[in-house]
This record gives sequence, structure tokens and C-alpha cells, in this order.
Amino acid sequence: DVKVTQSSRYLVKRTGEKVFLECVQDMDHENMFWYRQDPGLGLRLIYFSYDVKMKEKGDIPEGYSVSREKKERFSLILESASTNQTSMYLCASSLRGMGNNQPQHFGDGTRLSIL
Amino acid sequence: GEDVEQSLFLSVREGDSSVINCTYTDSSSTYLYWYKQEPGAGLQLLTYIFSNMDMKQDQRLTVLLNKKDKHLSLRIADTQTGDSAIYFCAELSGNTPLVFGKGTRLSVIA
Repeated sequence: DVKVTQSSRYLVKRTGEKVFLECVQDMDHENMFWYRQDPGLGLRLIYFSYDVKMKEKGDIPEGYSVSREKKERFSLILESASTNQTSMYLCASSLRGMGNNQPQHFGDGTRLSIL
Repeated sequence: GEDVEQSLFLSVREGDSSVINCTYTDSSSTYLYWYKQEPGAGLQLLTYIFSNMDMKQDQRLTVLLNKKDKHLSLRIADTQTGDSAIYFCAELSGNTPLVFGKGTRLSVIA
């Protein structure tokens, strides 16, 4: 079974702090994704990566950056945390390939509160 | 652009069938997925259907795909309280991120 592990289930940080959310997958997937989930808004894609050292902006990248130094690890960085970044953050991974079945596999999520 | 629409809420009685509907816009979708999210957890892949199929059955789950109308449904037979969750449909087109609907919250009344 694919395992996507997010480093924290719950995290509380202060406004202005630099926050790191870590995600590791064990299935050698090329693609990795970061989403945030808010009530009534569904999942919104922040950033994704198709390969090591590659990154692509999703729908809401402002206020975030990412790092993919190793294939199995994808980090989400909040450069200067603000209260409107309080949310549930979900990491996912998938295989790469055109026309192939590529479901995304999700971690359990990190519920981040910014005070 | 691509868009996936779902109704936000569904309430059913225990033992009844649930039908969750989804419409999508991208005619080049290759795979369509259903995910389940229990409270406080991530999304769990439930089932999927390839775009050249019109039906797939997996135990209590039946997926129906009407490609002409771009309509996807998930039927859960004999719905149990453990089926209470948010259900997301998602479509895949090429090597791009999945496009997700906003999710349907299923409440099962005992």
C-alpha cells in the first residue's frame, strides 16, 4: 500500500513565524501535491511538483513556497504565517504517465492553527 | 476551464441506498475517481472508472458514468453509519493534477 506521511497531525504557530510542513511518500512517485482544505471551499491546490527540484504553482500559491530536494519528500513553507493560513493541509502523491491510471494518494493531513 | 460540480449535502436513512452525483466539463477526461474523507482524516481512494466504461461495481459501491452528459454517480447500497463522510469526485486529464469537486457530505440517520 502507498504510504504518504505528513510530519504533524496538529500544529500551532504564531503570526509571522516561518512554518515548515513536511510530507514523505514511500512509493517512488514522481508527482507530489500540496492542498489546503477549508469548509465550503473544497480542496485548493497550492503547489505541485513533477520531479525533484521542479515545482509548479497551483491555484493559490501566494504566501507559500515549496521544496523538493529528494524524490520522496515535498515540503510546504509558509514564509511568514498569517491567521488566514489557518487550515487543514493535505499532501498527496501519484505516478506520472500520460493516459495511465494515476490516482492521488493522500496523507492524513496537518491541521495548522496560526495565532 | 475544467470544473467538477457536486451537491454539498445528502442525508439518507440507514439501510437505504445513497446516490451521490457529480458533473464534469472536460471531455478529454481519462479516469474519474471517488474519494472518501472521514472526519479529521485525509482522502481515501474508494474506486475509479476508466472513461471508456459505463459501469463499475465493487461490493456495495456502483459507479455509473454517462460520458455523453459528463455525469458520474456513486451508489452505496445498504448505507451504514460508517459511510457518513465527505465524498469527492475527481477527474484526470493527461498528466495534470486531479480536478476535484467540492465534496458531498453524506449523513446517515440511524
